[in-house]
Amino acid sequence: GAVVSQHPSRVICKSGTSVKIECRSLDFQATTMFWYRQFPKQSLMLMATSNEGSKATYEQGVEKDKFLINHASLTLSTLTVTSAHPEDSSFYICSARTTGGPTNTEAFFGQGTRLTVV
Amino acid sequence: SQKIEQNSEALNIQEGKTATLTCNYTNYSPAYLQWYRQDPGRGPVFLLLIRENEKEKRKERLKVTFDTTLKQSLFHITASQPADSATYLCARAGGTSYGKLTFGQGTILTVHP
Repeated sequence: GAVVSQHPSRVICKSGTSVKIECRSLDFQATTMFWYRQFPKQSLMLMATSNEGSKATYEQGVEKDKFLINHASLTLSTLTVTSAHPEDSSFYICSARTTGGPTNTEAFFGQGTRLTVV
Repeated sequence: SQKIEQNSEALNIQEGKTATLTCNYTNYSPAYLQWYRQDPGRGPVFLLLIRENEKEKRKERLKVTFDTTLKQSLFHITASQPADSATYLCARAGGTSYGKLTFGQGTILTVHP
């Protein structure tokens, strides 16, 4: 299957700093990628849809100025958590689907990034 | 509101038995449902997809059913092994956007040797 790679897998940052997380599709092109957040013992919650060459679409309640998304190429989307605070500590996961495929197909997920804000 | 729910937070079974996990949906009719496995600290991995016109789908020791009358999907693991221990998530398409998924809360399966 297709491979999605996320980097870093773990990051610890100080409160008030910014952190960038990368999501790459290694062997396929993805015009659309998705960013999820998962708190302990909870399920994945969609944060935003990342569209190559255009603005991201954010879910209700997600601050677009705090979670900056850039999808500069067909294989790379980045999520930047700006001015991070301890409550932003979470597991962030990206996913992608192959471009041009049918709509009812699987999604490929990255391995996730554990963000800890101290 | 449209909901997808996995009623069991945790399921403990003995090795060799069949694990059955439940996913219920309300207030909508999904065209398909997906099942994923998630290990601690990892992203979900796709297992099976079943469409509304399919009653059952199988893959090795895995079987998924889709009952549109009961608004329910069942996920079975036969001859379970300790290595099957993980969190299992059901998911539906989250809207018109290609690729958005809405997940259930997940069921933590533990298979005891």
